[in-house]
Amino acid sequence: DQQVKQNSPSLSVQEGRISILNCDYTNSMFDYFLWYKKYPAEGPTFLISISSIKDKNEDGRFTVFLNKSAKHLSLHIVPSQPGDSAVYFCAASVRTGGGADGLTFGKGTHLIIQP
Amino acid sequence: EAGVVQSPRYKIIEKKQPVAFWCNPISGHNTLYWYRQNLGQGPELLIRYENEEAVDDSQLPKDRFSAERLKGVDSTLKIQPAELGDSAVYLCASSLGPTRPQFFGPGTRLTVL
Repeated sequence: DQQVKQNSPSLSVQEGRISILNCDYTNSMFDYFLWYKKYPAEGPTFLISISSIKDKNEDGRFTVFLNKSAKHLSLHIVPSQPGDSAVYFCAASVRTGGGADGLTFGKGTHLIIQP
Repeated sequence: EAGVVQSPRYKIIEKKQPVAFWCNPISGHNTLYWYRQNLGQGPELLIRYENEEAVDDSQLPKDRFSAERLKGVDSTLKIQPAELGDSAVYLCASSLGPTRPQFFGPGTRLTVL
């Protein structure tokens, strides 16, 4: 059973517009969430994270929003640039208890930025 | 600062053969992870190390997979014997600690024929 779900396999956005990638999770124990970006033939690259004690974290063009009651998070990219075209993975872990599980990943969303 | 290094980048073997993957984490990162990524899926955790201790290997198929992290730095993941279903990308990641972001290497793409 998928504990982290990215229901959109792909998303096409025009350059300069906002890209919104969504992620849902089912495990209420998750308390740390991350977004990774992946280009072909490369490993995932860390983008941004958020702890469950926050509902928003911003880093440059990237903002992650967390809605704990809905078990939903989203990544906003503004403005979208051609180099943002990649597969984006949502990931979650449990950090309480003095340690952390490995990350549980969604299946990814392929973002395509159209010129 | 150098990132996570993995070798080889690609490996093609016949089923029932052994194979090994090597990982050198970012300097100073005590936590090391091995993940497997199947086509069209996200990475799935195989094993997590804190220094030289394997603290979570519950997802590692122990009948054919083994891993070690001698001296708490480099790590090796081995499959013996390989099966067709083992074809995947094997990713190594490291972090400063279990509650910090993980940084991934480029992965090893394994093809079992």
